Amino acid sequence: ETGVTQSPTHLIKTRGQQVTLRCSSQSGHNTVSWYQQALGQGPQFIFQYYREEENGRGNFPPRFSGLQFPNYSSELNVNALELDDSALYLCASSAGSQGSGSNTEAFFGQGTRLTVV
Amino acid sequence: GEDVEQSLFLSVREGDSSVINCTYTDSSSTYLYWYKQEPGAGLQLLTYIFSNMDMKQDQRLTVLLNKKDKHLSLRIADTQTGDSAIYFCAAQIVSGTYKYIFGTGTRLKVLA
Repeated sequence: ETGVTQSPTHLIKTRGQQVTLRCSSQSGHNTVSWYQQALGQGPQFIFQYYREEENGRGNFPPRFSGLQFPNYSSELNVNALELDDSALYLCASSAGSQGSGSNTEAFFGQGTRLTVV
Repeated sequence: GEDVEQSLFLSVREGDSSVINCTYTDSSSTYLYWYKQEPGAGLQLLTYIFSNMDMKQDQRLTVLLNKKDKHLSLRIADTQTGDSAIYFCAAQIVSGTYKYIFGTGTRLKVLA
């Protein structure tokens, strides 16, 4: 158990719909990263939040957006769903320090399996 | 560019050692990680190595890093059937953000 929880575990949506995925980070962690893992592939970095601010973004379109809350939990929102958005979405939490410019190892949740039909 | 490569499959007999290899391209990678993923599950952190180290041992796991060749390996001693899973190598890239670049994963099958 990593202490990182994601909900829901599975989700089926129709093309064009919108979806919100949620992540509770491990206690003491202030950084949340989201990854997309397509079938048979390694995880791809979507974006990262540090203390409620977006702190870097991968090669994903603007219809992928996120939020981080004061308790450091996070949401991933995807608008106008496409069939290719079907994947396992992983949330990872870590502890970052702006002062030292460092970040600890990331612990991953179990993921949300999104199927777009 | 940022890229991490792994071989796709490895099959070993129970009790033998497994060696999973990985190469990465970004020389600024500070930490390199190994994660394990079982079917339908998330990623489990196995071990990691800092870029100024050559080797790290953690019980049955040994990580070797050749920074000059940008080559990383994970050795699992006395491999068990419970070790059957997909193993991902990940390089931490620090460029304003702390993101991981993952390989495509190596599927390890342990034969009884």
